[in-house]
Amino acid sequence: AQKVTQAQTEISVVEKEDVTLDCVYETRDTTYYLFWYKQPPSGELVFLIRRNSFDEQNEISGRYSWNFQKSTSSFNFTITASQVVDSAVYFCALSGYSGGYQKVTFGTGTKLQVIP
Amino acid sequence: DTGVSQDPRHKITKRGQNVTFRCDPISEHNRLYWYRQTLGQGPEFLTYFQNEAQLEKSRLLSDRFSAERPKGSFSTLEIQRTEQGDSAMYLCASSPGGAGKNIQYFGAGTRLSVL
Repeated sequence: AQKVTQAQTEISVVEKEDVTLDCVYETRDTTYYLFWYKQPPSGELVFLIRRNSFDEQNEISGRYSWNFQKSTSSFNFTITASQVVDSAVYFCALSGYSGGYQKVTFGTGTKLQVIP
Repeated sequence: DTGVSQDPRHKITKRGQNVTFRCDPISEHNRLYWYRQTLGQGPEFLTYFQNEAQLEKSRLLSDRFSAERPKGSFSTLEIQRTEQGDSAMYLCASSPGGAGKNIQYFGAGTRLSVL
């Protein structure tokens, strides 16, 4: 069984602050992929990043960075210098070998509100 | 390169009626997925197709639900005898083959309201 936990239901920050969204996962698979998606008010889920379980290197893309720590089963997402356009619901997700890497399990999401 | 398209965007129906949703994936994506999302929750996997073959179905997909992808292109999701508990956003996604084969790209969804 797979499980993704996003303990933060809602976060509010003032524009230009940094914010970290937490994600903890559980899986019995030894190989798996982790994802982050953004869901703005329009509703369409937007793919942000995919990491595989063999690659623990942190990644930075512009104002976004991701910290993958296998030892703590966490895959946290940091937005630096937040902007109002970052306001959305962010989902962490997991797909494992046992599901052919096709069946994706999503967390319940973290709603981020960036206040101008 | 157009994205995943879903139709209709909104559907209001009375309990007991049948409804059908359509999904057009990104062209040349051979995998297509259906998810259901209720308020305050993440998407829940329902089923997926590789070309025209339906390879996996969740136990969430009761006998009243059926999905098809007859020619390996667009897909339809039908709900028969709708119930109020079926009210949700139904999301479709597609993914390519190759190295990016499990990155799923989502449509904007069809929001179903059952009265």
